[in-house]
Amino acid sequence: KAGVTQTPRYLIKTRGQQVTLSCSPISGHRSVSWYQQTPGQGLQFLFEYFSETQRNKGNFPGRFSGRQFSNSRSEMNVSTLELGDSALYLCASSLEPGGSHSPLHFGNGTRLTVT
Amino acid sequence: DQQVKQNSPSLSVQEGRISILNCDYTNSMFDYFLWYKKYPAEGPTFLISISSIKDKNEDGRFTVFLNKSAKHLSLHIVPSQPGDSAVYFCAAQLPAGKSTFGDGTTLTVKP
Repeated sequence: KAGVTQTPRYLIKTRGQQVTLSCSPISGHRSVSWYQQTPGQGLQFLFEYFSETQRNKGNFPGRFSGRQFSNSRSEMNVSTLELGDSALYLCASSLEPGGSHSPLHFGNGTRLTVT
Repeated sequence: DQQVKQNSPSLSVQEGRISILNCDYTNSMFDYFLWYKKYPAEGPTFLISISSIKDKNEDGRFTVFLNKSAKHLSLHIVPSQPGDSAVYFCAAQLPAGKSTFGDGTTLTVKP
C-alpha cells in the first residue's frame, strides 16, 4: 500500500508570493491533517479535513487555507508569503477523523523556504 | 498555552540500556496518547499508543506508561539500539479533536 505522498519535496519562494502544496493520502483514508514544523518547534496543527469538510482549524492566520477533494487528496495554500513561513509542512492521513483513536500516517513533508 | 510538553530536548543513552522519554500534559480531557518517531528527512511514524483508561501498553521493546493523576506519560525503550536514534514526539488527542504534539526529544543511542 502506498504511503502518504506530498509534492513537491522542496520549494523556494519569495516574500509576497503564494504557494500550493499537495498531499495524496493512503488509499481508503478520508481524513487529512496538515502540520507545520519549524526548527526547535513541535508540530503545529494547521487544519484537518474529512470527507471534503474542514473539521478542525489551528491558530494560523487566514493566509493559510486548505481544501480536500472528493478523492480525499488535499491541497494547502499559503498566500502573501512571509519569511516566518519557512518550515517543513507535513501532511498526515488517517482512516477515521481526528479524535477517533486512529494514528496519523505522515508524508515526508514539503520543505518551504521563503527568501 | 502549550498543552503537551516534552521538557527534555535531548537524551543520550548507551546501547543496551533503557531509554526513558517523558511527556506532560495539562488538558484532562485528552483521552488518547501516542508516540511517534521521526528520522531526518522523513515524516513521523507512529510507534505506540495508549488509551486514557489504561496505565500501560507494551509492544516489543517499547512500553508506554500513563499516570493520569500526574498528567504524565513516558516511553520506555529496552534495550536501546543505535537504530532507535531519532526525534520522538508525544501526542495527545481530544475526543473528536485534533492531535496536539509536544516539541520532541532527540534520542541518541551510542554504540
